[in-house]
Amino acid sequence: GAVVSQHPSRVICKSGTSVKIECRSLDFQATTMFWYRQFPKKSLMLMATSNEGSKATYEQGVEKDKFLINHASLTLSTLTVTSAHPEDSSFYICSARGVQGTSSYNSPLHFGNGTRLTVT
Amino acid sequence: QQQVKQSPQSLIVQKGGISIINCAYENTAFDYFPWYQQFPGKGPALLIAIRPDVSEKKEGRFTISFNKSAKQFSLHIMDSQPGDSATYFCAARFQTGANNLFFGTGTRLTVIP
Repeated sequence: GAVVSQHPSRVICKSGTSVKIECRSLDFQATTMFWYRQFPKKSLMLMATSNEGSKATYEQGVEKDKFLINHASLTLSTLTVTSAHPEDSSFYICSARGVQGTSSYNSPLHFGNGTRLTVT
Repeated sequence: QQQVKQSPQSLIVQKGGISIINCAYENTAFDYFPWYQQFPGKGPALLIAIRPDVSEKKEGRFTISFNKSAKQFSLHIMDSQPGDSATYFCAARFQTGANNLFFGTGTRLTVIP
């Protein structure tokens, strides 16, 4: 089945630094990747939709200059949290959808295992 | 605005019992309704999913019941086991557009031995 790998699983950084999180589709090509944020005991909140080769579409209230998304290839999307602050501490999760016309396009979204970011 | 409403927020069930989680939606353009299971510190994993042309889908101990006219769907876990203890999210997806999922608020299930 489709596998999505997310790295790192945990990261601790100091306030003011930037952190990059990678999301890879391991056995399929993903034209679209989604980035979610999840607070403790809460649901997943969609932050942005990332399409390969184009700019990401951000949800209302999500700062695009703070959460930089790059989807440079069909198997990799990255989320960079810039100038991190303690309030950015959260669980970040990505998911991926396959190329239109392939079996993975209409298949269920598969999620990475998430990245726990702690900003001190 | 919460597109998908989920209840209960938490649920405690005895081992061997039936766990029932309910979800409701308003937008009739949704055409795909998955359930995800999430363990602490992990990403959600697809459990079972249904499309609106089917009223019930069963996979092992997990069953989705779908009521299109009421715009409700539910997850039933038969013979619940301690290993089923997790947070469950229902979700909905549009047929067209970005194709992202709208999640319910989650149900924390605890199955006690």
